[in-house]
Amino acid sequence: DTEVTQTPKHLVMGMTNKKSLKCEQHMGHRAMYWYKQKAKKPPELMFVYSYEKLSINESVPSRFSPECPNSSLLNLHLHALQPEDSALYLCASSQDGGRGLGTEAFFGQGTRLTVV
Amino acid sequence: TQLLEQSPQFLSIQEGENLTVYCNSSSVFSSLQWYRQEPGEGPVLLVTVVTGGEVKKLKRLTFQFGDARKDSSLHITAAQPGDTGLYLCAVANAGGTSYGKLTFGQGTILTVHP
Repeated sequence: DTEVTQTPKHLVMGMTNKKSLKCEQHMGHRAMYWYKQKAKKPPELMFVYSYEKLSINESVPSRFSPECPNSSLLNLHLHALQPEDSALYLCASSQDGGRGLGTEAFFGQGTRLTVV
Repeated sequence: TQLLEQSPQFLSIQEGENLTVYCNSSSVFSSLQWYRQEPGEGPVLLVTVVTGGEVKKLKRLTFQFGDARKDSSLHITAAQPGDTGLYLCAVANAGGTSYGKLTFGQGTILTVHP
């Protein structure tokens, strides 16, 4: 199984809503990532979890809250988002969070988020 | 200043044509990755180049890592409509940043017309 599965695929939420994005991988990867991608732009890193611990937070606003319940699951909790947060949110995993070939990333299909 | 300068940003060609995408930097990297992202999907890893001067082939795609490990190119021969997508070069842990971080080039949006 070389898949990263993200749910939901599409999400429309109001600015006062609370929602969660979910990500799952069963490749035994120990590093998991959240990226945000705007149309026709490269992905931008938001968070990195390595061995279930948050190792990188790229100065992401607190209305985005990541959670790693176990080595296979990664969640992104959303609260009080703004319309400019509308984007494709991508989850990825890699063998490890170190250097070299172990950093090759496997991406999910993404969640297309629209904030209204 | 972008760590990875990718060019061109947009490429619109006819089926059967050849094309080359470039990824340049002033920094030296231990490895460089190329991804392709189709509309509505996440990026998919195409190849990792590791050795200076290395050439890797994936069917009609040829990847080269510069001798000094500062740049890379992707050449597609006889492009097909199925090659349409966003092509991204990326490096891991670039510029002394924390581990686990991929830094992407700006991307090349390729459209191949039938």
